[in-house]
Amino acid sequence: QSALTQPASVSGSPGQSITISCTGTNSDIGDFDFVSWYQQHPGKAPKLVIYEVTNRPSGISWRFSGSKSGNTASLTISGLQAGDEADYYCSSYTNRGSLGVFGTGTQVTVL
Amino acid sequence: QVQLQESGPGLVEPSQTLSLTCSVSGVSFTSTGYFWTWIRQQPGKTLEYIGRIYHSGTTYFNPSLKSRVAMSVDTSKNQFSLRLSAVTAADTAVYYCARYYYRDHYLDGWGQGTLVTVSS
Repeated sequence: QSALTQPASVSGSPGQSITISCTGTNSDIGDFDFVSWYQQHPGKAPKLVIYEVTNRPSGISWRFSGSKSGNTASLTISGLQAGDEADYYCSSYTNRGSLGVFGTGTQVTVL
Repeated sequence: QVQLQESGPGLVEPSQTLSLTCSVSGVSFTSTGYFWTWIRQQPGKTLEYIGRIYHSGTTYFNPSLKSRVAMSVDTSKNQFSLRLSAVTAADTAVYYCARYYYRDHYLDGWGQGTLVTVSS
């Protein structure tokens, strides 16, 4: 099962909005609304920030939002803050017999 | 809030068996719909599912690792374990335990991760 494709890095200035894309196939993102996003600060455990494409878990800032179009899901961070600097991974359910698939990961830098 | 903590040796010799345990706290270990999961991240690579186990003992494994993986639960201790046999240098990775919500397919809690190096 190939990984979902994400840009290696995305950067933005404080207060700006950035969007991270996550491209899959008709066997995962394109056919199911089970896309989730995880934030990982260096040396820390990953943390769920979006599930089922658009839903935010309790305690996650409204500045994090998700969407999907066709085989591509996106995570948008609005009002970028220094604390948002981290690695972000997407993940999707897949019907290809594996347990699920993760994205290649995106490093977000706040300039 | 679910809390998970991995434990086990940080160094394993080639051809031996890697054994890790995950201790769970903050939630019921036997909650309906939640699977206990192992994930790893090899150096420079993305995350990879190893397998998941229900509190009843039902397991699902990554097909690429299935022949070498075993998982178990100890509900009396709120723990679940991973055994990966015949390890090679390619099994060097950070290993995470996590909780997976089966209905909506997401991981709502992760451990900090533990680095396991395979080397003689």
